[in-house]
Amino acid sequence: EVQLVESGGGLVQPGGSLRLSCATSGFTFSDDYMDWVRQAPGKGLEWVGRSRNKANSYTTEYAASVKGRFTISRDDSKNSLYLQMNSLKTEDTAVYYCARAPYSTSSGRTYGMDVWGQGTTVTVSS
Amino acid sequence: DIQMTQSPSSLSASVGDRVTITCRASQGIRNDLGWYQQKPGKAPKRLIYAASSLQSGVPSRFSGSGSGTEFTLTISSLQPEDFATYYCLQYAIYPRTFGQGTKVEIK
Repeated sequence: EVQLVESGGGLVQPGGSLRLSCATSGFTFSDDYMDWVRQAPGKGLEWVGRSRNKANSYTTEYAASVKGRFTISRDDSKNSLYLQMNSLKTEDTAVYYCARAPYSTSSGRTYGMDVWGQGTTVTVSS
Repeated sequence: DIQMTQSPSSLSASVGDRVTITCRASQGIRNDLGWYQQKPGKAPKRLIYAASSLQSGVPSRFSGSGSGTEFTLTISSLQPEDFATYYCLQYAIYPRTFGQGTKVEIK
């Protein structure tokens, strides 16, 4: 069974930093792309960013709202994904989900996110 | 960025009703669209990918259609467990973008 478990959320002051983790199991983590998606209280879903796999040089993509402040990384030896969040703003308050985006070697692309973790809550407030 | 516009934003329906939700993309995205269901306090669950392919384990009362800029999610006979919020997602171009959501409530 594919499982994703986020951790690291909490309360942080504006301007502060936080590092989220996503521990995975049940699939070959190194083969797939991984995304972060967030949801502010009472709001819709917002894509945060992506980590590609080793075959695609672990390159990343980010939403404009977090580019330059957030960094996505991964450790394939630990089957884990990370989100380093710096210069946090009150508008970053949200539940953060990690999600798998399975990579098709035959087509060289992904087809959206299929499995999601349960989320971890980040609150940015003074 | 591609804007995804869902309609309606909410609807009230009864068990057994046929429900249709529409998602419109601001530019063509081929069939690079998924549909997700989210219940309060839970993570989203994928229902449909590639606009019309049913995710494994999802009941066949859910179906998707469309290509280009107009997409539809249909629930053929609404069940009690289907009351939730539904989102479309385009994955044709970065940044990925979601529709604003459609809340399906009990009439």
